[in-house]
Amino acid sequence: AQSVTQLGSHVSVSEGALVLLRCNYSSSVPPYLFWYVQYPNQGLQLLLKYTSAATLVKGINGFEAEFKKSETSFHLTKPSAHMSDAAEYFCAVLRAGSYQLTFGKGTKLSVIP
Amino acid sequence: DGGITQSPKYLFRKEGQNVTLSCEQNLNHDAMYWYRQDPGQGLRLIYYSQIVNDFQKGDIAEGYSVSREKKESFPLTVTSAQKNPTAFYLCASSIGQGVNTQYFGPGTRLTVL
Repeated sequence: AQSVTQLGSHVSVSEGALVLLRCNYSSSVPPYLFWYVQYPNQGLQLLLKYTSAATLVKGINGFEAEFKKSETSFHLTKPSAHMSDAAEYFCAVLRAGSYQLTFGKGTKLSVIP
Repeated sequence: DGGITQSPKYLFRKEGQNVTLSCEQNLNHDAMYWYRQDPGQGLRLIYYSQIVNDFQKGDIAEGYSVSREKKESFPLTVTSAQKNPTAFYLCASSIGQGVNTQYFGPGTRLTVL
């Protein structure tokens, strides 16, 4: 079985500050990991994914995430928050060869001007 | 423009009525999925289909039904047996092999009165 835990259902940062959204996973086999972003009343947009190549993954809009096997973590970061980053972010894990994506419960990011 | 369309964006139904949500993709993806999203719950898998004329139950299939008669289309019916149908419904598709990254449609918000 696999699961995802996102620490903090709501995170607030000031504009220009570092964004750090935490994700820990459990998986019995090496996983594929994803971060998605959702703006209000919209679908999910893929930010980035880890597929067992480089452990530091760069995504769209200046976001990146680092896969740390020893910590079973895949935290999402951005050096400088922008107002347009305000959204809900979901971490998800996919077992290799599987069709079932398991999502965390999401972290809502607020950016304070 | 390739993508996933869901219609309508907002849907209202009276309690006890069945309702069908549309999902169409022109990405030539083999696999399609339906998720339900409730506030603070993340996304939960209802049904998925790996190939035409085949589908499997996800974690919360009770009260829902699907069909997959065409590669491009994967409609979801919310039946009167679904106890709490009011939610945001998201359709996704993936290539069906390899990393199997899922791409999402814009969603349909169903409100049962």
